[in-house]
Amino acid sequence: DVKVTQSSRYLVKRTGEKVFLECVQDMDHENMFWYRQDPGLGLRLIYFSYDVKMKEKGDIPEGYSVSREKKERFSLILESASTNQTSMYLCASRPRQGRDEQYFGPGTRLTVT
Amino acid sequence: GQNIDQPTEMTATEGAIVQINCTYQTSGFNGLFWYQQHAGEAPTFLSYNVLDGLEEKGRFSSFLSRSKGYSYLLLKELQMKDSASYLCAVRVDRGSTLGRLYFGRGTQLTVWP
Repeated sequence: DVKVTQSSRYLVKRTGEKVFLECVQDMDHENMFWYRQDPGLGLRLIYFSYDVKMKEKGDIPEGYSVSREKKERFSLILESASTNQTSMYLCASRPRQGRDEQYFGPGTRLTVT
Repeated sequence: GQNIDQPTEMTATEGAIVQINCTYQTSGFNGLFWYQQHAGEAPTFLSYNVLDGLEEKGRFSSFLSRSKGYSYLLLKELQMKDSASYLCAVRVDRGSTLGRLYFGRGTQLTVWP
């Protein structure tokens, strides 16, 4: 079974803090994705990566950065957290080729106060 | 961007059949996914269609018409546990961006006893 894990289920941070959200997958997938999910807005793509050290902006990259130093790990960084970044963050991965779906991690609910 | 529309909410009773529609306008289309998401949990894969027609999997079926930009998810013999959000997602393969998904905002289905 594919397993995608995220470092925390719940996180509370203060405005201005630097926040790291970690995602690890164990299936040697090339593609990894970070989404945020807000009521009424659905899943929105922040950043994605097609391989180690590669990254592409999604639809809402402002205020975020990412790091992919190892194939299995994709980190989302909030350089200076703000209250409008309070959200559910979901990581996903999939193989580069083939019909496979994206496999999601359990999500991190981040609250910025 | 991509235009993916699905109803915001639907209700049905236990044992009934419900059809959740999804329409899309996109270039680089390479398949449509349906995910189920229970409150506070990650999305889980239900179905994938890339060719026109109906795919059946137990109580769930999914239909695709590429020429009409239309899909539906059919749930039969509804159970209380089917109360969840159902996400329509279009896969877009364009240039170097393989496997990227664009999500609709989700349809919240409530099943009443």
